[in-house]
Amino acid sequence: ETGVTQTPRHLVMGMTNKKSLKCEQHLGHNAMYWYKQSAKKPLELMFVYSLEERVENNSVPSRFSPECPNSSHLFLHLHTLQPEDSALYLCASSQPSGANVLTFGAGSRLTVL
Amino acid sequence: GDSVTQMEGPVTLSEEAFLTINCTYTATGYPSLFWYVQYPGEGLQLLLKATKADDKGSNKGFEATYRKETTSFHLEKGSVQVSDSAVYFCARKWRSAGGTSYGKLTFGQGTILTVHP
Repeated sequence: ETGVTQTPRHLVMGMTNKKSLKCEQHLGHNAMYWYKQSAKKPLELMFVYSLEERVENNSVPSRFSPECPNSSHLFLHLHTLQPEDSALYLCASSQPSGANVLTFGAGSRLTVL
Repeated sequence: GDSVTQMEGPVTLSEEAFLTINCTYTATGYPSLFWYVQYPGEGLQLLLKATKADDKGSNKGFEATYRKETTSFHLEKGSVQVSDSAVYFCARKWRSAGGTSYGKLTFGQGTILTVHP
């Protein structure tokens, strides 16, 4: 247990479904991130929140919608996804500056049918 | 742009063998460099880091030296164990145009290591 908890660990959804991924940390960190991990590709940074404000959106399609209601929780809302969106979605947290050491959750494995 | 290149895997070794996983980065300024490890079914964990040239990061028997002249940060371990089987990621701190860069890291594609008894 790293201190960053992601749920669900596995999710299968159809292209017309709406679902959400949840991330929770109680490490006192002020920045939270969503990364996408696809097979044989480098991790892709999707979104960054610092002090509950979105500070990065790396050209992510609008079918992915992040939400950060407070510094301990981060959501990724999913709707009308495509099969190529199937991947492991990793949440991470850190202090907003300094050594840039990220603490990752175990990830949510998403399969889009 | 920023990039990190790791040696292609998978790497398969016998227990107690010597390990090297190569990593090179684009030379934009003087980034901090990291190695993360991902064990099966888990998220990424920081293994070691180095923040300036000639620094050596070390942890759990693993070492990596920040080589500015070759823009490299190769991971080494003298004697691997079965429990070292995992995916290893090299990463650099994202180049910042100004202000804080938060935890923006550019990752390599990962190298799968399998160690047999």
